[in-house]
Amino acid sequence: NAGVTQTPKFRILKIGQSMTLQCTQDMNHNYMYWYRQDPGMGLKLIYYSVGAGITDKGEVPNGYNVSRSTTEDFPLRLELAAPSQTSVYFCASRLDGQGFNQPQHFGDGTRLSIL
Amino acid sequence: RKEVEQDPGPFNVPEGATVAFNCTYSNSASQSFFWYRQDCRKEPKLLMSVYSSGNEDGRFTAQLNRASQYISLLIRDSKLSDSATYLCVTYQVGSTLGRLYFGRGTQLTVWP
Repeated sequence: NAGVTQTPKFRILKIGQSMTLQCTQDMNHNYMYWYRQDPGMGLKLIYYSVGAGITDKGEVPNGYNVSRSTTEDFPLRLELAAPSQTSVYFCASRLDGQGFNQPQHFGDGTRLSIL
Repeated sequence: RKEVEQDPGPFNVPEGATVAFNCTYSNSASQSFFWYRQDCRKEPKLLMSVYSSGNEDGRFTAQLNRASQYISLLIRDSKLSDSATYLCVTYQVGSTLGRLYFGRGTQLTVWP
């Protein structure tokens, strides 16, 4: 069972470089999320999507962009990498509309370092 | 004020001990509640949902007090493998659909 798949698992970027973190889920979930987690800290929501073509900002969207062209994929783009974006990034998905007690399913995470 | 507040710990307990975590939430419109477990450098994983009447899953018991807006997790007969960070999560329906709010987590270490 694939669930939520994130690629790459690790990446080192130079300041100013760009990259896309990939996230795909095979559970036909309508909601998808991107979080970052800094060492010793909680999860912070970057962006989320309630369905294909619909995205919205979370708590910390600056420096990131997202798109949701299909139900399965929700890539996160960093345009000009900065050291402050060094973090672990988690993608998650959730099925909404089937009752409120639906948990999120997380990918394994992408560990990103900006040097 | 944060949406979800947890005592960060750490809680250090011996094997076999009973330990309890509390979590408070600020928005009375919160409708669903969960406890997640996160191991070091790993993704959060669902431990259990929290139902209004309280629920139990083996050694784990979750309770919800809507009047006081807090959620609790009780772990009985602690095992070494219970060492992790426990995240309290609430779900709200409002102007921002489908939002879950995560607490910072409570760190538990079980020692032999």
